[in-house]
Amino acid sequence: GAVVSQHPSRVICKSGTSVKIECRSLDFQATTMFWYRQFPKQSLMLMATSNEGSKATYEQGVEKDKFLINHASLTLSTLTVTSAHPEDSSFYICSARVQDYGNTIYFGEGSWLTVV
Amino acid sequence: GIQVEQSPPDLILQEGANSTLRCNFSDSVNNLQWFHQNPWGQLINLFYIPSGTKQNGRLSATTVATERYSLLYISSSQTTDSGVYFCAVISQASGTYKYIFGTGTRLKVLA
Repeated sequence: GAVVSQHPSRVICKSGTSVKIECRSLDFQATTMFWYRQFPKQSLMLMATSNEGSKATYEQGVEKDKFLINHASLTLSTLTVTSAHPEDSSFYICSARVQDYGNTIYFGEGSWLTVV
Repeated sequence: GIQVEQSPPDLILQEGANSTLRCNFSDSVNNLQWFHQNPWGQLINLFYIPSGTKQNGRLSATTVATERYSLLYISSSQTTDSGVYFCAVISQASGTYKYIFGTGTRLKVLA
């Protein structure tokens, strides 16, 4: 199947700093990628839809200025958590839709963010 | 928006047992996938199954779109099947490709 790679897999940052998470489609072009957030023992909540070459579409309740999403190329989307706080600690995971396979989506490995 | 409920929320099995996981959704869907999230957080795609029945080894899935539910069957369970199982759907009314995840079933298989 299609491969989506996410980096870093784990990151610890100090409160008040910013951290960037990358999501790459390795063997296909992804015009649309999705960013999810998962708190411990909970389901995945969609944060935003990342569209190549245009602004991301954020879900209701997600702060656009705090979670900056950039989709500058057909194989890379980035999520930057700005001015991170301990409550931003979570598991962040991206996914991409593989158009040639219908609407099947594949997920990256996820990134564990801990803000101390 | 569409609601996606899974049952049971938690399940403990003895190795070798069979089980059925259920996914109910509140509106018509264009797509449905089943995922297994392993203890390290990685999501593994199990089935893309907006309708009908599919089988892959010990796993099979059935979606009855007209009745708004999907079932995931696990036969002869193994300890490596432990983890959380999610179904995810795309609402037909949404006009998008956004997947909405169900509440999940946490499975533990005992040796």
